[in-house]
Amino acid sequence: EPEVTQTPSHQVTQMGQEVILRCVPISNHLYFYWYRQILGQKVEFLVSFYNNEISEKSEIFDDQFSVERPDGSNFTLKIRSTKLEDSAMYFCASRDRYNEKLFFGSGTQLSVL
Amino acid sequence: QQQVKQSPQSLIVQKGGIPIINCAYENTAFDYFPWYQQFPGKGPALLIAIRPDVSEKKEGRFTISFNKSAKQFSLHIMDSQPGDSATYFCAASKDTDKLIFGTGTRLQVFP
Repeated sequence: EPEVTQTPSHQVTQMGQEVILRCVPISNHLYFYWYRQILGQKVEFLVSFYNNEISEKSEIFDDQFSVERPDGSNFTLKIRSTKLEDSAMYFCASRDRYNEKLFFGSGTQLSVL
Repeated sequence: QQQVKQSPQSLIVQKGGIPIINCAYENTAFDYFPWYQQFPGKGPALLIAIRPDVSEKKEGRFTISFNKSAKQFSLHIMDSQPGDSATYFCAASKDTDKLIFGTGTRLQVFP
């Protein structure tokens, strides 16, 4: 089965630093998402992206967050100035136009010290 | 109104048992109700999903029961196996876009 690929699997950063989390969605997919999961808690929606623009974003997705599809294959999440509370597992997900099934990557564990 | 409430938080069953996980929602605009399975260190994987126009859907050993009037849906795992031990999340969305997840149920199936 096709996979969503995320890199790195673990990222450690200092508070206030910028981080970029990278994702390669499944090749024919058009809808892209970022979700996050704080340890032991539920998965939370951050942002959806379609046709090179944000479709919807949650309250968590404030001005410190941005997303980009810099080329035909990558989808990135940037956190401009990380906070301790940004420590979480970040999941990228994608789906195609016709199928409601959402495919998740294995996640990037972000630790902010 | 955006919340999805899930119970129980954890569940322990013997192999062959039928664990049942329940979810309730408030937003009547939700029209897509998937269940996800998550193993440690992995992303959630879609298990089975239902739309509100049917009351039950079965795929293999997994069954969703849906009660539109009560705004509740549940996952039943028939003949559970140790390999089913994982965390299960229900979710809901409108137009299959932004998913609202439940809080998760950690299932352990003992041999």
